[in-house]
Amino acid sequence: RKEVEQDPGPFNVPEGATVAFNCTYSNSASQSFFWYRQDCRKEPKLLMSVYSSGNEDGRFTAQLNRASQYISLLIRDSKLSDSATYLCVVKPAGYALNFGKGTSLLVTP
Amino acid sequence: ETGVTQSPTHLIKTRGQQVTLRCSSQSGHNTVSWYQQALGQGPQFIFQYYREEENGRGNFPPRFSGLQFPNYSSELNVNALELDDSALYLCASSLAGVTSGGQVQFFGPGTRLTVL
Repeated sequence: RKEVEQDPGPFNVPEGATVAFNCTYSNSASQSFFWYRQDCRKEPKLLMSVYSSGNEDGRFTAQLNRASQYISLLIRDSKLSDSATYLCVVKPAGYALNFGKGTSLLVTP
Repeated sequence: ETGVTQSPTHLIKTRGQQVTLRCSSQSGHNTVSWYQQALGQGPQFIFQYYREEENGRGNFPPRFSGLQFPNYSSELNVNALELDDSALYLCASSLAGVTSGGQVQFFGPGTRLTVL
């Protein structure tokens, strides 16, 4: 079983839609959680850290359920510029970031 | 932008050759991690350097090696290149103490390596 699993999509949604991405992780000792965004042929960029209490940054809301080892990202009022691959990232104790394969989002006019 | 730079941006090599990729970390960051991203996959951790020493390693063979310099910049060396080494190589910088392992990592633009 992969350490971080995501639905690869693609998710095709119209502008203004709400879309949710889910992610599960296998290492219960994981300590830090993130969502990164990656545009085509570019580097991953930090979208937001994910905290146990849940956190929001504008149109983006992240949730963490440690008991279920589940992370989610909700994007409200999708924009064309949100089209990208969203990478779920888990950091256990140690040095490495463990990435999921990413979920592809295409927002259409 | 993150302030992390990598060179070269693109590279074409043939099987069996050796390659050196370079990374300059963000100002104030003391730790550099290297990742390999194959097409359609998430980045895979290769290793991390802190205080000029390898600080952790992923599941990569010894022909993947690295260095960190006193100014915190870093090199990734790959010997005896194989076709499967074709990928985007990303470096990420962070600020870490000796035990924390670092938290948020900021990525450079990557080097796209093609092995023919």
